[in-house]
Amino acid sequence: QSALTQPASVSGSPGQSITISCTGTSSDVGGYNYVSWYQQHPGKAPKLMIYEVSNRPSGVSNRFSGSKSGNTASLTISGLQAEDEADYYCSSYTSSSTFSYVFGTGTKVTVL
Amino acid sequence: QLQLQESGPGLVKPSETLSLTCTVSGGSISSSSYYWGWIRQPPGKGLEWIGSIYYSGSTYYNPSLKSRVTISVDTSKNQFSLKLSSVTAADTAVYYCARHASAFDIWGQGTMVTVSS
Repeated sequence: QSALTQPASVSGSPGQSITISCTGTSSDVGGYNYVSWYQQHPGKAPKLMIYEVSNRPSGVSNRFSGSKSGNTASLTISGLQAEDEADYYCSSYTSSSTFSYVFGTGTKVTVL
Repeated sequence: QLQLQESGPGLVKPSETLSLTCTVSGGSISSSSYYWGWIRQPPGKGLEWIGSIYYSGSTYYNPSLKSRVTISVDTSKNQFSLKLSSVTAADTAVYYCARHASAFDIWGQGTMVTVSS
């Protein structure tokens, strides 16, 4: 199974909105509403930010939102803050093999 | 609250078997709602799902690693384990254990494993 495709880097100024894309296929992103997004700060474990395309876990800021169109999912961060600078990964269930998950290539978000 | 903690050797020799254990505290590994998975991250690279197990013992593996991976569960100890055989330098990574349903919602802190002679 191939990794989902994300842009290597995205940047924005404080207060702006940015969007990270995650492109897969009809066997993963396009076929299931099991897309999730993770934030990872250096040296730390990933943190779940969005599950099932657009749902936020308790405690995650409503500045984070998710969506999907066809084979591409997106994570939008509005009102960008310095603490949002981190790596972000998408993930999806995939039917390329029985019960399997695939992660995205990762995106470095820089707050200018 | 539920916590996961990885443990095991930080250094493994090439061609040997990497063995890690994840201890679950603050909750039961026998919950019918969740799976328990292993994910790894080579230095400076992205995340890779290795495989998952249900408390009943049903296992699911990444096809690219399937021939070398075994995941097992010990409900009496509230632990699940990873074995990766015939390791090479390419298996050097931080290994995370995590709980998941449709998403990986609780993660361990990760443990660095280096493959080197």
